[in-house]
Amino acid sequence: KNQVEQSPQSLIILEGKNCTLQCNYTVSPFSNLRWYKQDTGRGPVSLTIMTFSENTKSNGRYTATLDADTKQSSLHITASQLSDSASYICVVSAVTDSSYKLIFGSGTRLLVRP
Amino acid sequence: NAGVTQTPKFRILKIGQSMTLQCAQDMNHNYMYWYRQDPGMGLKLIYYSVGAGITDKGEVPNGYNVSRSTTEDFPLRLELAAPSQTSVYFCASSYSGEGKSELFFGEGSRLTVL
Repeated sequence: KNQVEQSPQSLIILEGKNCTLQCNYTVSPFSNLRWYKQDTGRGPVSLTIMTFSENTKSNGRYTATLDADTKQSSLHITASQLSDSASYICVVSAVTDSSYKLIFGSGTRLLVRP
Repeated sequence: NAGVTQTPKFRILKIGQSMTLQCAQDMNHNYMYWYRQDPGMGLKLIYYSVGAGITDKGEVPNGYNVSRSTTEDFPLRLELAAPSQTSVYFCASSYSGEGKSELFFGEGSRLTVL
């Protein structure tokens, strides 16, 4: 069964600190992996998209890594800011029946405190 | 630069009532989607459309209907609302099929059925 598991469920860090969010997936055949940021009461916004051949991708202070062999991804946030407080959602694209399907993780809720 | 616009943002329905969630996009995207997001769960696909006049069921279509008469609009109809339909609904659009290209989400519509 195609699944995307994220950890931790929630995380509290102090402003200025770094943190790493984890995503493990059991999706096959794999097409790409995305990280989205969802502010409270808003829709998800894309941070990165990585294909099988990419193992690192950055977007400002956000750096995503992908290990397609172990089916793991991480999102590293550097020098956190209060505006980083949000849910971060890992999404994996699977190829099924000649079409594509997105499998969403349940997200990691990050709170950055001053 | 509106992107994907959803209305209403909030709505309370009584059991058995019907309503339509509106979604419009101004990016000339062929693909449009409706997702629901329940607490602690990943987004689930309700219906999608690959172009005007073409719609198809997603993972959780029961209790919902859609239409796509124009490229811009993709309304979601709830018939005979039930408490199980209490959720946050997101409309999204993309240039091509969901697994291949970037998804742009609306701000969401929070629906409560009492």
